[in-house]
Amino acid sequence: DAKTTQPNSMESNEEEPVHLPCNHSTISGTDYIHWYRQLPSQGPEYVIHGLTSNVNNRMASLAIAEDRKSSTLILHRATLRDAAVYYCILRGSGAGSYQLTFGKGTKLSVIP
Amino acid sequence: DVKVTQSSRYLVKRTGEKVFLECVQDMDHENMFWYRQDPGLGLRLIYFSYDVKMKEKGDIPEGYSVSREKKERFSLILESASTNQTSMYLCASSRHPYNSPLHFGNGTRLTVT
Repeated sequence: DAKTTQPNSMESNEEEPVHLPCNHSTISGTDYIHWYRQLPSQGPEYVIHGLTSNVNNRMASLAIAEDRKSSTLILHRATLRDAAVYYCILRGSGAGSYQLTFGKGTKLSVIP
Repeated sequence: DVKVTQSSRYLVKRTGEKVFLECVQDMDHENMFWYRQDPGLGLRLIYFSYDVKMKEKGDIPEGYSVSREKKERFSLILESASTNQTSMYLCASSRHPYNSPLHFGNGTRLTVT
């Protein structure tokens, strides 16, 4: 079962870009990289996902390393509403593809 | 927008009671999941289902069972609630097993006394 490693916490100033890293050295070729975030008292919210190429959507960008062993979620201009716990998980078609256990994530604090 | 609805936001039950947590999704998703979330432990997968009447154990299935009689509904059952099952329970659904987003409900905070 492929695992991910994230820093426990990060801080950013408001309106600055934020780069949230995730290591997944045991990723398999068919694993998609997903990012979710969770605000207090809410369920996790989907942010973005990708396989090999970098991805952009209205919420964020996902930069995937060429060897796919790491990825970075990029919030282009942090706002106070982006303060949340961010989870990086792998979902794939290999063995254990349904074992979608989330780790502890990265708690992002945004400083006004 | 996909909506995943969990029947209760808060529940208080006594030790030994049988507890049903209900989850309904409105997007005809094949895949549904039950997680529990505890401080310092992240989200842990209890059970998942990839089709009606199909179920698979997750990482921590002991003390739980599930039922999926209709595509839109996935129920988590605590056969005999215990205090160590006090937790936040989260339901999720997705269209594809890995190439589509997981959509979560807002959770049920269960307290077993």
